[in-house]
Amino acid sequence: KAGVTQTPRYLIKTRGQQVTLSCSPISGHRSVSWYQQTPGQGLQFLFEYFSETQRNKGNFPGRFSGRQFSNSRSEMNVSTLELGDSALYLCASSLAGANVLTFGAGSRLTVL
Amino acid sequence: DAKTTQPNSMESNEEEPVHLPCNHSTISGTDYIHWYRQLPSQGPEYVIHGLTSNVNNRMASLAIAEDRKSSTLILHRATLRDAAVYYCIRSGGGADGLTFGKGTHLIIQP
Repeated sequence: KAGVTQTPRYLIKTRGQQVTLSCSPISGHRSVSWYQQTPGQGLQFLFEYFSETQRNKGNFPGRFSGRQFSNSRSEMNVSTLELGDSALYLCASSLAGANVLTFGAGSRLTVL
Repeated sequence: DAKTTQPNSMESNEEEPVHLPCNHSTISGTDYIHWYRQLPSQGPEYVIHGLTSNVNNRMASLAIAEDRKSSTLILHRATLRDAAVYYCIRSGGGADGLTFGKGTHLIIQP
């Protein structure tokens, strides 16, 4: 079966812009979570959605937001981009909760 | 706070077994132990998880200490494709996100 698909794979933005990243989970998976990976901070949890509801959120500013649609697809948005937002953004899906996650290949964002 | 402690790096030879240690001395009774690995330029990949008993799957074995304060991921016969960063994570499951630490960078020598 198809894995977790993230689009776009690469993108470049400038400071102050906003960006939207998309994630299509494995069919049947209702939980989608997002992570940010940087060389300095490693992998950090952003938020988790289940049945269109955000169930948990990591320690990130309000500029980072997300949503989940009825088909379980999810998007995350970062507004007013800063240089420090340059990172690999990873989406993971699971049947429910965090026990066994399947990650996508990520969207690499560069902020200039 | 990753809540687990792993060596920064380990080196092993191809076709030999690899034992990757992890300390989680403050683990609660309901926390599972998960292992993920991340190959270069890829997202993390689930390897194995367990609660109390030792676990085996096609990728690896997980040996959990009787007091649950430590565990060991065992790759029975390492290949070059096993070179990756291995993360040991304790998690209560549910909606809580996984807390990744720095992991162990496993180097496999041919």
